[in-house]
Amino acid sequence: QKEVEQDPGPLSVPEGAIVSLNCTYSNSAFQYFMWYRQYSRKGPELLMYTYSSGNKEDGRFTAQVDKSSKYISLFIRDSQPSDSATYLCAHPNTGNQFYFGTGTSLTVIP
Amino acid sequence: KAGVTQTPRYLIKTRGQQVTLSCSPISGHRSVSWYQQTPGQGLQFLFEYFSETQRNKGNFPGRFSGRQFSNSRSEMNVSTLELGDSALYLCASSLGGVTGELFFGEGSRLTVL
Repeated sequence: QKEVEQDPGPLSVPEGAIVSLNCTYSNSAFQYFMWYRQYSRKGPELLMYTYSSGNKEDGRFTAQVDKSSKYISLFIRDSQPSDSATYLCAHPNTGNQFYFGTGTSLTVIP
Repeated sequence: KAGVTQTPRYLIKTRGQQVTLSCSPISGHRSVSWYQQTPGQGLQFLFEYFSETQRNKGNFPGRFSGRQFSNSRSEMNVSTLELGDSALYLCASSLGGVTGELFFGEGSRLTVL
């Protein structure tokens, strides 16, 4: 079992839709989670991070952690074509080693 | 502030050859990590260097190696290339803290024929 699992999609939604991206993790000791966004032919860039349980909001983006079910979610409100990218959930391990999900490819159709 | 620079961006090699990839981190960043990205496996951690010392290593064979220089620039080498080594190799730099943000380069896309 991988440390972080993610539905690869692809996911295609109309502009303005609410998008839900999800990951599960295996180690209940994990407390710190990140979402990275990767545009085509680019490296990933940090989108949001969240610590422990609960929600964190940043503009149209909300990151949510449910420790009881070991579930991580990223919600995108009022999705835009510029949100079309691959979204990766991640958790840091020791020595700057990060566990990444395989990524979910999102396309927002104008 | 310049970002993470990786060279070369694209390269094609044949089985059995070796390859060296280079990474220049963001100025002031002492930690450099390397990841392999493939469609099926996603990003997999190769190794991390901090102040010229390998601090952590992923589960890859010994054909994969790296080093870091005193100016924090890093290189990774893959010897005796196999078809399965075809991937995007990403370098990431950070300040080196436990939960520090990773800043990725655009990657070096390696194709092994």
